[in-house]
Order: sequence, then C-alpha cells, then structure tokens
Amino acid sequence: EDKVVQSPLSLVVHEGDTVTLNCSYEVTNFRSLLWYKQEKKAPTFLFMLTSSGIEKKSGRLSSILDKKELFSILNITATQTGDSAVYLCAVANNFNKFYFGSGTKLNVKP
Amino acid sequence: ETGVTQSPTHLIKTRGQQVTLRCSSQSGHNTVSWYQQALGQGPQFIFQYYREEENGRGNFPPRFSGLQFPNYSSELNVNALELDDSALYLCASRHMGGGPSDNEQFFGPGTRLTVL
Repeated sequence: EDKVVQSPLSLVVHEGDTVTLNCSYEVTNFRSLLWYKQEKKAPTFLFMLTSSGIEKKSGRLSSILDKKELFSILNITATQTGDSAVYLCAVANNFNKFYFGSGTKLNVKP
Repeated sequence: ETGVTQSPTHLIKTRGQQVTLRCSSQSGHNTVSWYQQALGQGPQFIFQYYREEENGRGNFPPRFSGLQFPNYSSELNVNALELDDSALYLCASRHMGGGPSDNEQFFGPGTRLTVL
C-alpha cells in the first residue's frame, strides 16, 4: 500500500532554533515530492522535488530528496513564530494521485 | 493567496442528506483535485478531474462523485452523508500540460462540513 510517513508528529522549539522535518515514502511510480505549509485552512505550496540530491532553497527554508532511500527533509533555520504551522509532505505518482502524510505540527515559541 | 476559491465556507448537514461543494480553479489551470482532511490528519485524495473527466480516484465510495465544467470549475457531491464525512474539504487546481510544473497544485481555503 502506498504511504507517506512524516516525523516527528509535533515539535516545539524556540525562536532562532533550526529544525529538520522528515518525510519517508513508499509510493510506486513516484513522480515528485511536495512540501506544503498549512496554517489555518489552505495548504500553501513550498517546494516540489523530483531529483535526488538537488537542494531547493527559499529564504530560511530548504529541502532535499533522496530517491534511493525514499525520504526527504525540510530544514528551517533561524525559526520565527510565524513559522508555526503544520508542514505537510505529499508524493505524486505517475497516475495523478497525491499521497499526503499526516503532517508535522511545528510550534515556535518566542 | 491562490486564485482557487471554494464555497460555501462552512456547512452543517444531518446524516442521510446530500451536499454539493463548489470550487473555482485558478486561471489557466485545467485540473482540479478534491481532498478530505479530517482533524489532525493529512488530506486524503478523493478524485481528480481533467478536462471534464475523472482521471484519478482515491479509496472513497461511489457516493462521493464530482463534475468539472467547461470553465474548469468543479463540484463535489456527497450522498447519504455519514457522521464520519465531517471534515475539511479542499480542492486544488493545477495545469497539466506535460511539463515539469504539472504537479504544482494550489489549494483553495476549503469547506468545513459538519454532519450531525
């Protein structure tokens, strides 16, 4: 059965800390892996990764994919209270199906 | 904010009733996917519509059905509502054209459905 597993389920850090969120997957016919940030309702798109070893960066956020070991990490450096959210990992297969993990709830305290 | 809109924002129904949720896709997008997100869980894929045809479906029963219109907007219909159908229903749109950005989908704000 295709699945995406995220860890940890929740995380509490203080402003300025660096965090690493994990996403492992078992999805046949893998096409791409996507990270989203969900604060209240609509998940907002962060990154899409299709190739191993190529880091994607956007400000303090970065992500990398390992297609051999079937995982991805999302790093957030110098965390701010505005980073508090649920971070979702999703994997798309070649048949247009998206599989989401349960998310990691990040709480950044001042 | 994305250009994806959904209506209504909130909805309360009773068990056994039917509901229709609506989604307007972002301009230029030809594909709409629907998801069910229970509290504390990630979104679960219901189905996807591309050019007015369903072209992908998750593990949801047939009482979950949908439509896509020529302007690429979409409806999700749920018949014979059950208590477990209470959830946030998200739609997401993207443009599928065989290019590298095919999987970049953008979500609407969701419809919160409560079944009593």
